[in-house]
Amino acid sequence: GAVVSQHPSRVICKSGTSVKIECRSLDFQATTMFWYRQFPKQSLMLMATSNEGSKATYEQGVEKDKFLINHASLTLSTLTVTSAHPEDSSFYICSATLAGGNTGELFFGEGSRLTVL
Amino acid sequence: QKEVEQDPGPLSVPEGAIVSLNCTYSNSAFQYFMWYRQYSRKGPELLMYTYSSGNKEDGRFTAQVDKSSKYISLFIRDSQPSDSATYLCAMRHNYGQNFVFGPGTRLSVLP
Repeated sequence: GAVVSQHPSRVICKSGTSVKIECRSLDFQATTMFWYRQFPKQSLMLMATSNEGSKATYEQGVEKDKFLINHASLTLSTLTVTSAHPEDSSFYICSATLAGGNTGELFFGEGSRLTVL
Repeated sequence: QKEVEQDPGPLSVPEGAIVSLNCTYSNSAFQYFMWYRQYSRKGPELLMYTYSSGNKEDGRFTAQVDKSSKYISLFIRDSQPSDSATYLCAMRHNYGQNFVFGPGTRLSVLP
């Protein structure tokens, strides 16, 4: 299957700082990437859909100025949590679909655990 | 009614048992159906992918889709302790990019 790499896998930061998480499709081109947030023992919550070369589409209730998403190329999307606070501590996961494909397959990164002190 | 419903469990079975995991959905437009396995603190891993109705088998895993009943299943034969994880069903329309996930079922296979 296609490989999606996410970095860093774990980050601890102080309140008020910004944190950037990268999501890369290693062996395929991804027109669309998705960013999810997951709380312990809960399912995935879609935050935004990121399309290469255009602005991300945010889900209702997700602050776009808080969670900045950039999808500058077909293999890289970034999520920046700006002015992080303890309530932003969570597990963030990206996923990607194959460019030009309509097979329905969605491939996930390994996730990034953010802890804001 | 939620778009995709899934019993959260936890489901505990002895090693070697046949496990049946299920999801129901309300939107008849869904055409692509997937099952993911997620270990604790890891990203979901695609297990099975099915288009429209029918069965698909891969090793110990069998996925079934019954679109008339809006019901999908994942069967795990000869379950192993390493199968202990959360299993998420997911589905999408035949158009657009909307993936919808079930809440996941936590499975424990006891040695």
